[in-house]
Amino acid sequence: QSVLTQPPSVSGAPGQRVTISCTGSSSNIGAGYDVHWYQQLPGTAPKLLIYANFNRPSGVPDRFSGSKSGTSASLAITGLQAEDEADYYCQSYDSSLSGHVVFGGGTKLTVL
Amino acid sequence: QVQLVQSGAEVKKPGASVKVSCKASGYTFTSYGVNWVRQAPGQGLEWMGWISAYNGNTNYAQKLQGRVTMTTDTSTSTAYMELRSLRSDDTAVYYCARWDSSGYLDYWGQGTLVTVSS
Repeated sequence: QSVLTQPPSVSGAPGQRVTISCTGSSSNIGAGYDVHWYQQLPGTAPKLLIYANFNRPSGVPDRFSGSKSGTSASLAITGLQAEDEADYYCQSYDSSLSGHVVFGGGTKLTVL
Repeated sequence: QVQLVQSGAEVKKPGASVKVSCKASGYTFTSYGVNWVRQAPGQGLEWMGWISAYNGNTNYAQKLQGRVTMTTDTSTSTAYMELRSLRSDDTAVYYCARWDSSGYLDYWGQGTLVTVSS
């Protein structure tokens, strides 16, 4: 049971827009801690996709965007492409766990 | 460019210990922390703990307290993660990742598969 809740799977056709939610609580996202997102392509290490809620590292296409409100955050992907098929994880910090990093359970994105 | 290169795959018997290394290059090692994250087969990411490469301070996940030790060797810019009393459910890919002070993991190692089997 992950501290941050994500839908197990989402899907969309090429060119469409999808969103992935990340729901926390008052001890993590709701406490004001930043949310970060990672993309894990099959058989590879995770890669930082969005940091501090909505910032993109250099090289990440602007098709990827992040937002945060209250106890939740979202990752949006527009103009879906086949190479976006991957697992996506949100990450934050939880003050009730003695300063521990917490991950969402991950969401599998399927491009139809 | 920043790189984290981990040691190779390991096969261990239940009750044994494993020590995984993570050699950093392309940045000032002592300016960042190192986190360890593991991923069991077909499962999500699990945070294991963090070590400051500056002063060696550590913070471990509660479920691993007493079985895990994280260390660094600043002379070789290498971080280590040792896990003791291995069980079958410790079978996973273990990743090291650089910890930015803003709270995210910006560079990751390639992963090390640790298999625990009798």
